[in-house]
Amino acid sequence: DAGITQSPRHKVTETGTPVTLRCHQTENHRYMYWYRQDPGHGLRLIHYSYGVKDTDKGEVSDGYSVSRSKTEDFLLTLESATSSQTSVYFCAISESGQGYEQYFGPGTRLTVT
Amino acid sequence: AQSVTQLGSHVSVSEGALVLLRCNYSSSVPPYLFWYVQYPNQGLQLLLKYTTGATLVKGINGFEAEFKKSETSFHLTKPSAHMSDAAEYFCAVIFSGGYNKLIFGAGTRLAVHP
Repeated sequence: DAGITQSPRHKVTETGTPVTLRCHQTENHRYMYWYRQDPGHGLRLIHYSYGVKDTDKGEVSDGYSVSRSKTEDFLLTLESATSSQTSVYFCAISESGQGYEQYFGPGTRLTVT
Repeated sequence: AQSVTQLGSHVSVSEGALVLLRCNYSSSVPPYLFWYVQYPNQGLQLLLKYTTGATLVKGINGFEAEFKKSETSFHLTKPSAHMSDAAEYFCAVIFSGGYNKLIFGAGTRLAVHP
């Protein structure tokens, strides 16, 4: 299995509070991604990174920000959590280049009450 | 808009029967194609992928998929279902110019009954 960990694995928070999810990899892969998984939607890309300090928006980026100060860490921040952000969040990594498969972390289940 | 369609959100088969999970994508340019499997409360695991070359791709656990450009399809099959195949299956596509960004289908939950 690819060396990807996510923390926390479960979190319950209140509406309006900031939340940061962490993805850590030991594979030294260049690309990192954050997805959210919701029933009936599969996985949707939130943000991705193609190198340290290089990030871009995905399909559902509103309300989320990311940072990548080191190759191994990719942080996802919800500045002010809303109930619509209740979801399961997955981090993924891939090597450089087109067509490389992505390897997924175990996920973080976030509940916003 | 680029999209991936999985026909059937739930598929049920008997143990030993053929498994067929359908995936179609919206592009005339051949993309990169993937099938992932997700077991309960776990992350996604790559089953197989098509990038170039042979259009019939074999993956893990006895699964295979065939890329058909004329039908813009990448259906997943397994000749004989096993109870352990019960999971959710996702088709995903990197479209041309997609900068390695995966677009997922909504998923198909496979149930296998005795």
